[in-house]
Amino acid sequence: EDKVVQSPLSLVVHEGDTVTLNCSYEVTNFRSLLWYKQEKKAPTFLFMLTSSGIEKKSGRLSSILDKKELFSILNITATQTGDSAVYLCAVGGGSSNTGKLIFGQGTTLQVKP
Amino acid sequence: DAGVIQSPRHEVTEMGQEVTLRCKPISGHDYLFWYRQTMMRGLELLIYFNNNVPIDDSGMPEDRFSAKMPNASFSTLKIQPSEPRDSAVYFCASSTMTGIMAYEQYFGPGTRLTVT
Repeated sequence: EDKVVQSPLSLVVHEGDTVTLNCSYEVTNFRSLLWYKQEKKAPTFLFMLTSSGIEKKSGRLSSILDKKELFSILNITATQTGDSAVYLCAVGGGSSNTGKLIFGQGTTLQVKP
Repeated sequence: DAGVIQSPRHEVTEMGQEVTLRCKPISGHDYLFWYRQTMMRGLELLIYFNNNVPIDDSGMPEDRFSAKMPNASFSTLKIQPSEPRDSAVYFCASSTMTGIMAYEQYFGPGTRLTVT
């Protein structure tokens, strides 16, 4: 069965800290791995990763994929209270090999001032 | 583009009533997904369509749920009869896929359903 597992499930840090969120997957016909940020509304797209070892970066956020070990990490440096959200990892692929995404359960990040 | 449009944004109904949620995907997107999100179960895929055809409805909880996509710009998710355990946020998302790559899904604002 295809699955995506995120860790930790929740995390509390203080402003300025650096955090690392983890996503491991077991998905047949892997195509891509995506990270979303969800505040009190709909998930918004952050990154899509398809190749191992190539870091994607956007401001204080960065992510990298390891297709050999089947995981990805999302790093957030110099965290701010506005980074507080649920971070979702999703993998495209699966036995049906279509546009379906398989989502992890999410990591809830709380950044305290 | 206005993004994915969902209506209503909030729905409060009584147990046993019929509920219809609506979605307009991003123009040009050929995939449409319906998700349900709760604190307990997280984000669950209910059903998705490709070119207006249902591809996988294995996530639909039971026969009380049905979804249609009569054309490329409109889809509905219907619950009849509704039950309190259906209370959740229902998201619609759309995407397009070129070749063998899975492209990012764009989510609508969601419909918060409360069944009393």
